[in-house]
Amino acid sequence: DAKTTQPPSMDCAEGRAANLPCNHSTISGNEYVYWYRQIHSQGPQYIIHGLKNNETNEMASLIITEDRKSSTLILPHATLRDTAVYYCIVRGYSGSARQLTFGSGTQLTVLP
Amino acid sequence: KAGVTQTPRYLIKTRGQQVTLSCSPISGHRSVSWYQQTPGQGLQFLFEYFSETQRNKGNFPGRFSGRQFSNSRSEMNVSTLELGDSALYLCASSRSGTAGLAGGNEQFFGPGTRLTVL
Repeated sequence: DAKTTQPPSMDCAEGRAANLPCNHSTISGNEYVYWYRQIHSQGPQYIIHGLKNNETNEMASLIITEDRKSSTLILPHATLRDTAVYYCIVRGYSGSARQLTFGSGTQLTVLP
Repeated sequence: KAGVTQTPRYLIKTRGQQVTLSCSPISGHRSVSWYQQTPGQGLQFLFEYFSETQRNKGNFPGRFSGRQFSNSRSEMNVSTLELGDSALYLCASSRSGTAGLAGGNEQFFGPGTRLTVL
């Protein structure tokens, strides 16, 4: 699976949009971009995933650049409960590539 | 729908002992994966089971093993515990294992079992 690069930490004011970037310049054509988050000492929580098109669900939006080398997770109105480590993961579906390879992630702190 | 459950939530063992952790996946999910999380190494993949067969394995010694039952419940076992095995052990389930499906294979994690080895 392709490697990802994320900033180690970010702050965001409560109520504002949180934009978390992820670089995945070596992504290949059949690899998806997944986002998970982990609130302290809990299991990771699935947020969203996408292949080429932008995606939106009740939690967040995922914007993938046209060349697919980077993406941005957007939390439209961040709350204090969104404080967590956010992981961007690139994963293919071929063969046994079903495990998630977690990097260091971005510690997002939402400030009151 | 109930989420992934793991038991026990906390466990304290001493070096040399063995431990068995249990995971019950979301109803209807047939794939169960196990991960180890430590402050130094982060989240690392241990193994994945699908239909009672180990389908994928991470880079861990043979002291770490697992199995899956016909009802998709899974157990992992660590023998001859070492201090470095102290970690949060996470189980994740997903609906299917068919490669190539777009979506539908996102993994849902349980709360984890916190293992402390003294």
